[in-house]
This record gives sequence, C-alpha cells and structure tokens, in this order.
Amino acid sequence: EPEVTQTPSHQVTQMGQEVILRCVPISNHLYFYWYRQILGQKVEFLVSFYNNEISEKSEIFDDQFSVERPDGSNFTLKIRSTKLEDSAMYFCASSELTSGLQDTQYFGPGTRLTVL
Amino acid sequence: QKEVEQDPGPLSVPEGAIVSLNCTYSNSAFQYFMWYRQYSRKGPELLMYTYSSGNKEDGRFTAQVDKSSKYISLFIRDSQPSDSATYLCAMTQYSSASKIIFGSGTRLSIRP
Repeated sequence: EPEVTQTPSHQVTQMGQEVILRCVPISNHLYFYWYRQILGQKVEFLVSFYNNEISEKSEIFDDQFSVERPDGSNFTLKIRSTKLEDSAMYFCASSELTSGLQDTQYFGPGTRLTVL
Repeated sequence: QKEVEQDPGPLSVPEGAIVSLNCTYSNSAFQYFMWYRQYSRKGPELLMYTYSSGNKEDGRFTAQVDKSSKYISLFIRDSQPSDSATYLCAMTQYSSASKIIFGSGTRLSIRP
C-alpha cells in the first residue's frame, strides 16, 4: 500500500541552525500538508500546499518557516533559525484532492526534531 | 472555549469491553468528522470519516455525530489489546484540501 515517507526520523540541531525536513508524499497526490505535535500536546496544522504554492497557513507558520516542492517527488519544510520551542514531531501528509465527498489525508511517520 | 475538546484519559478497560470516546466542538462550520488512531511515536492513521449526523459503522468501530449538540463519539466493540493507542478526534470545514483540527487525543489501554 502506498505511504508517505519522511526523513530523517530524528533530527537534533543547535538553536539558531537551519533544518530541512523531507517528505515523499504518495505519488498521485496533489495536496500536501505539514503538521506538528509538541510532546504531550495536540497535532497542529502548519501549512497546506497545492500547485506549487501555499494554500493556507496557520499563525505558527511564520517567516522562519518555508515549504518547497523541489522536484516531482519531495516536499520539504525548512526552519531557518530554529528555536527551542520548535522541538516537536513534524508530520507530513498528502491527499489526492478527489471531487468526491472524502479526501483523506494520509500521514507520514513523522520527524522528531530536537533543538538544543 | 477551545475549538475541539477531548478528554485526554488515560482510559483503561478490560479486553472485550465496549469503549466510548467523545469530543465536543464549538465551531459550527465544521462539517466533516474523523477519528484517527495514533500509536506511540507514529503518525495518525485514519479510522473513520463521517460527514452527516448519525451513525457510521465499520467492523468493530462505530462513529456517531450529533451536529445539533456539536458532539461526536467513537465506539469500539469487543475491544482488543491491539486497540491500545491514542485516539484523536478531528474535523474540517470542507471535504477536501482542508486543514484538520485535532482534539488532544484520548489514551486508551485495553487490559488482556
């Protein structure tokens, strides 16, 4: 069964460093998302991306964050200057954008980001 | 008032019991409702998806939506130890390409 993959599974970085989290969405999917989950808290929406541009972003997704689809398969989240509070699990998701009633978002296994 | 409220548990029941998980929400714009299951340090996995008030059944799982009360439920019949996980209620305004708003999750443990 097709699945969303994410690399790395765990990233440790120093505060102020840039990190890039990578995702390979399901191949025929057209809509891509990033969510994050701070330890012990709820999963929160960060951004959605369609047709090479951001469709929607949350207030969390400030100028420190950016997303890109550099080629036909990868979808990346870049944090320019990491802060301690960026430590979280980051989940990538993708959906097919069907015209029917159900457009399921499939989630990857996540990248655990630890900022020291 | 939080957009989506969910009792975090933990909830511990014996194997074979019926489990009831619930969420309330405040935003009447939510039209589509989901239940995700999340194992420790894994991504959320979709269990059930509903878009109208009433019940939807899938095997041992039943999702119930009451839009007038802004209340959704997930029932698990004949619970198994493998059902032990965190269950997240979730909802969106639109059927497709819409940000998901999650509840905080209920941690469920099924005792053998």
